Amino acid sequence: NAGVTQTPKFRILKIGQSMTLQCTQDMNHNYMYWYRQDPGMGLKLIYYSVGAGITDKGEVPNGYNVSRSTTEDFPLRLELAAPSQTSVYFCATRDRAIGATNEKLFFGSGTQLSVL
Amino acid sequence: DAKTTQPPSMDCAEGRAANLPCNHSTISGNEYVYWYRQIHSQGPQYIIHGLKNNETNEMASLIITEDRKSSTLILPHATLRDTAVYYCIVRVAVGSNFGNEKLTFGTGTRLTIIP
Repeated sequence: NAGVTQTPKFRILKIGQSMTLQCTQDMNHNYMYWYRQDPGMGLKLIYYSVGAGITDKGEVPNGYNVSRSTTEDFPLRLELAAPSQTSVYFCATRDRAIGATNEKLFFGSGTQLSVL
Repeated sequence: DAKTTQPPSMDCAEGRAANLPCNHSTISGNEYVYWYRQIHSQGPQYIIHGLKNNETNEMASLIITEDRKSSTLILPHATLRDTAVYYCIVRVAVGSNFGNEKLTFGTGTRLTIIP
């Protein structure tokens, strides 16, 4: 049981390049999230998904795209990388418990991205 | 949306209880208080959550005031491994058709355990 797996762990991009950050989970959780964390700051929500085929924007979605074709995978796409997207990216999941009283999030180990 | 206020940093001696305060004066009746921590750029880790009553688990205790406008996370016997950034969060309703909720993280409290 690996939990939440993110790849790659580190990446350097040139301005204008594109890439996909991968996130996969083996806990059969419905909810998945993408956060970014700039140095010394808290986490900001980029996109989230409540199940396969359903996604929605968070606080800072500009410059990113997501898809959710399966329960397990929730990739984050950067189409035209910009220096402002230099950050650490975290994927998270949670179960959809009946009554929704348990909002415990499980996080991956993060992807450190630099855009130069 | 209820917002939280936490001190930016705190120190605590190893072996002593660490008491981390959080103010959430605009919390609504059906919003929970959650605590997470983040150790040195790792992914955040869930600690505990509560609604009205005090809660305790193997990691910590959560004390919520009767008016629910503030809470305190207590690490009873702090160790060096408890050095981390601690986030106090209240559940925020999402402004979408899904009617589901997300957690919004602020900047937290950087707790340093002193040997």
